[in-house]
Amino acid sequence: AQSVTQPDIHITVSEGASLELRCNYSYGATPYLFWYVQSPGQGLQLLLKYFSGDTLVQGIKGFEAEFKRSQSSFNLRKPSVHWSDAAEYFCAVGEGSSGGGADGLTFGKGTHLIIQP
Amino acid sequence: DAGITQSPRHKVTETGTPVTLRCHQTENHRYMYWYRQDPGHGLRLIHYSYGVKDTDKGEVSDGYSVSRSKTEDFLLTLESATSSQTSVYFCSTSASGQGSYEQYFGPGTRLTVT
Repeated sequence: AQSVTQPDIHITVSEGASLELRCNYSYGATPYLFWYVQSPGQGLQLLLKYFSGDTLVQGIKGFEAEFKRSQSSFNLRKPSVHWSDAAEYFCAVGEGSSGGGADGLTFGKGTHLIIQP
Repeated sequence: DAGITQSPRHKVTETGTPVTLRCHQTENHRYMYWYRQDPGHGLRLIHYSYGVKDTDKGEVSDGYSVSRSKTEDFLLTLESATSSQTSVYFCSTSASGQGSYEQYFGPGTRLTVT
């Protein structure tokens, strides 16, 4: 069975500083990988996704992520964070025979991002 | 965003009572999902549907049932609610046929079982 690990439960970053959120997955085939963001009391919004091709993917709100097969990682980065980036971030992997997540996604437990002024 | 609504948005119910949560979408997406979100657990898949009347179990399906009689509606039923089912429930949808299965999420339903 696939699994997703987000090693950092909380991360505190100063506004304007760079950010990297870690995600490691366990999956036998080529995974379909996603990053979602959740603001307090809200649903989840897709930041970016990786299916194939270029291992560096760009997303919304200035985020990017890099797929590294050798490390089974899909880390999320942003060069300069804004106070509005404070939220919960979830990494997820697609499962199912197609590998595309048709049978649902497996989520990590999330990383809570705090932005210091 | 896909037009996904969930009802009710908040509900308090007593142990042992049946509860039904509704998810409605306007995007004609084939796939629909129910997840629960609990602190320290992220989101966990309860049930999903890959078409009208076609459903399957997820990771945490015990105590839950689902039905999908129309493309746009996916119902989650707790036959006899327990305190362990206190959670925030999210519905999501996904299109198919384009090789990508990103999911679009509704706003969630906060359920409290007393």
